[in-house]
This record gives sequence, structure tokens and C-alpha cells, in this order.
Amino acid sequence: NAGVTQTPKFRVLKTGQSMTLLCAQDMNHEYMYWYRQDPGMGLRLIHYSVGEGTTAKGEVPDGYNVSRLKKQNFLLGLESAAPSQTSVYFCASSYSRGGRLQPQHFGDGTRLSIL
Amino acid sequence: GNSVTQMEGPVTLSEEAFLTINCTYTATGYPSLFWYVQYPGEGLQLLLKATKADDKGSNKGFEATYRKETTSFHLEKGSVQVSDSAVYFCALRANNNDMRFGAGTRLTVKP
Repeated sequence: NAGVTQTPKFRVLKTGQSMTLLCAQDMNHEYMYWYRQDPGMGLRLIHYSVGEGTTAKGEVPDGYNVSRLKKQNFLLGLESAAPSQTSVYFCASSYSRGGRLQPQHFGDGTRLSIL
Repeated sequence: GNSVTQMEGPVTLSEEAFLTINCTYTATGYPSLFWYVQYPGEGLQLLLKATKADDKGSNKGFEATYRKETTSFHLEKGSVQVSDSAVYFCALRANNNDMRFGAGTRLTVKP
């Protein structure tokens, strides 16, 4: 079972470059999330989506954009990368059952370094 | 705002030792509480959860009880194994999309 797949796993960028991180889930989940994980700070929510065609800001959205054109994919974009965006990025997905949101399933992460 | 504070690591134990990782939270309303585990190079995996006061979540020998009076959700295991070495995250969800994580506690279990 693939679950949540993130692409790429590693990437090094120069300041000012742009790139897109791809998250794909094959579980037909409505909800998808992008987090960043930094030492000593746990995970912080960047953006999330409650369904195809919808996105919303999380705790630390500045410098990022997202799109959810297809239910199974959630893209995270960096238009102009900055060293402060060096981090490990995790995608997660979830679904609702009986009106209750279920625990999130996580991908294996993307390690991004901005020089 | 909502937040989670968990015990700083790293924690190093010998095999078969007793484990406690403290977690306290601040939240409005009645959050759901979670423990996630992260093995090297992998994403977070749900370890256990509790959705209301006095609930006890348990899985793989780990337990945590939702204590509303002390706003705590401490993780315990009676006898740790080398394979339990990982980073453990306490988390809360106060509404459908407000998920907050603690900073993580790295556990190393030595043979």
C-alpha cells in the first residue's frame, strides 16, 4: 500500500529559486496537510485542504503556496526560496468518519536545503 | 492559543526499563490527544490516541491517559525495547484542522 507519497525526498536549492513539492495519496482522503519540521519545534502546519479545489492557511503560511487541483494530490510551492525555509517537509492526509476527523497519515518527508 | 509542551530529550534508557515521557497541553474546549512516533528517515505514525477525558489510549505496550484535571497526556511503557528507539511527539487537535505538535522527545534504548 502506497499511502502518502512525497516527491522528491531530497532537494538543494539556491536562494531565490522556485520549486514544487508533490504529495500524492491513494486512500481517497478528503483532507490533506503540509507541515514543516524544524529542530526543537515539532511540526508546524503550513497550509491544508479540506477537499479538491480548496486550500487554507495554517500556522506558518508565509512564503508558500499550495494547490489541490485533484483530490489525490496536494502541491506545495516555494516561489522564491529563502534559507529560513530549510526544513523537513511532511505531507499528511485524513478523512472524516461519523462526523469525526480521523488521525492523519504521514508521508516520509522531503528534506529541503536552501543555500 | 492551543499548544503542547512535552518533556525535552534526549532520553536514554536500558532495555526493559520503565519509560515516561511527560506531555501537557493548553487548549480551549475539549481537544483530542495523540502520541505519534517517528522512526529514522520516516514520517510520523500514530501510536495511540484519546478523544475525551479519562480515556486511556494504548498500543504496542504504550499507554497514555487523558487527564483533564492536570491537562496532561503522559506516555508510559513498562519495559522498553531497543526497537522503541525513535522520536515521540505529543499532539492535540482542538477543532477539525487545528493540529498542534510538541517539539518531540528522542528516545534511545540501549541493549
